[in-house]
Amino acid sequence: EDKVVQSPLSLVVHEGDTVTLNCSYEVTNFRSLLWYKQEKKAPTFLFMLTSSGIEKKSGRLSSILDKKELFSILNITATQTGDSAIYLCAALHSGTYKYIFGTGTRLKVLA
Amino acid sequence: DAGVIQSPRHEVTEMGQEVTLRCKPISGHNSLFWYRQTMMRGLELLIYFNNNVPIDDSGMPEDRFSAKMPNASFSTLKIQPSEPRDSAVYFCASSTQLTGVAGNTIYFGEGSWLTVV
Repeated sequence: EDKVVQSPLSLVVHEGDTVTLNCSYEVTNFRSLLWYKQEKKAPTFLFMLTSSGIEKKSGRLSSILDKKELFSILNITATQTGDSAIYLCAALHSGTYKYIFGTGTRLKVLA
Repeated sequence: DAGVIQSPRHEVTEMGQEVTLRCKPISGHNSLFWYRQTMMRGLELLIYFNNNVPIDDSGMPEDRFSAKMPNASFSTLKIQPSEPRDSAVYFCASSTQLTGVAGNTIYFGEGSWLTVV
């Protein structure tokens, strides 16, 4: 059965800390991996990763995919209270175009 | 551009009542997904449609749940009869599947927050 597992489930840090969120996947016919940030409402798109070893960056956020070891990480440097959210990763199945989400990592950044 | 539009945004209903959630996907998107999110189980895929046809409904919890997509711009998720354990946020999402593109982004609506008492 296809699955996506995220760790840790929750994390509390202080402003300025750097965090690393993990996402491992077991998906047949894997196509791409996506990261989303969810605050109070709908998940919003962060990154899409399709190739191993190529880092995607957006400000203090960066992400990379390892297709051999079947995982991705999301890094946030110099965290701010506004980074507090649930971070979701999803694997896209190539044949069915089905998105399989992990349960998310709940990040809390304290001032 | 308008995003994915869901209604109602919030609903509180009594056990046993019928609940209908509605979704309008982004224009031009040919895939539509219904997800349910709870603290315990995270984001679960209930059903998804491609070109208005249900492709995979294996996530639909039981016969009380049904979904339809009569045309490319509208879908409903119905729960009849509703139970307290159905209380959750129900998200509709859409995407486009362009051939030749390595992957596609899925766009979420703001969710329908359902409470069954």
